[in-house]
Amino acid sequence: KAGVTQTPRYLIKTRGQQVTLSCSPISGHRSVSWYQQTPGQGLQFLFEYFSETQRNKGNFPGRFSGRQFSNSRSEMNVSTLELGDSALYLCASSFPGAGELFFGEGSRLTVL
Amino acid sequence: AQSVTQLGSHVSVSEGALVLLRCNYSSSVPPYLFWYVQYPNQGLQLLLKYTTGATLVKGINGFEAEFKKSETSFHLTKPSAHMSDAAEYFCAVSPNSGNTPLVFGKGTRLSVIA
Repeated sequence: KAGVTQTPRYLIKTRGQQVTLSCSPISGHRSVSWYQQTPGQGLQFLFEYFSETQRNKGNFPGRFSGRQFSNSRSEMNVSTLELGDSALYLCASSFPGAGELFFGEGSRLTVL
Repeated sequence: AQSVTQLGSHVSVSEGALVLLRCNYSSSVPPYLFWYVQYPNQGLQLLLKYTTGATLVKGINGFEAEFKKSETSFHLTKPSAHMSDAAEYFCAVSPNSGNTPLVFGKGTRLSVIA
């Protein structure tokens, strides 16, 4: 069974640009969560989607947005990039109510 | 609201020695508890989880953890460290509904010395 797939794995952007990251969950998983990981703040929850609806949202500015498609694939977008957005962005999928998350390998974003 | 505190951002042990990584949680309802491991440039991999039932939970790679409600702790142990155990370890908590986001601790980096 294929795991969670995130693309791209690495990317470099400049301040002011925008970026879109993609996540394909494990087959059959309908819940997708996104986390930002930085050395200073650790793992911070961004948002969770289930059946194309945002079910939970973390404390991030509106520049961070996401969506989920009917096939459960998810994308997140960050607009007007700032240096502080440099991070590893992790996507995870799960069965709702099961608790545990299954993570992809992440997309490492560097903002110059 | 839930929170997790991992004591020690960095733990160093000798190969073959006991591994003990500490995790204390705060939760207003019975929690689900998890330990994840992260190797460099990789995502997080689930080591073990506690939901209900037996308080001693066994996971992969010889790790285990014990849920102690009275101490609000969920410490991770392994009797004998191996070089391949060197990684970052994260404790996480979720309300027992399992329907709200996991809250992670800051992580503990484990180094294993030959």
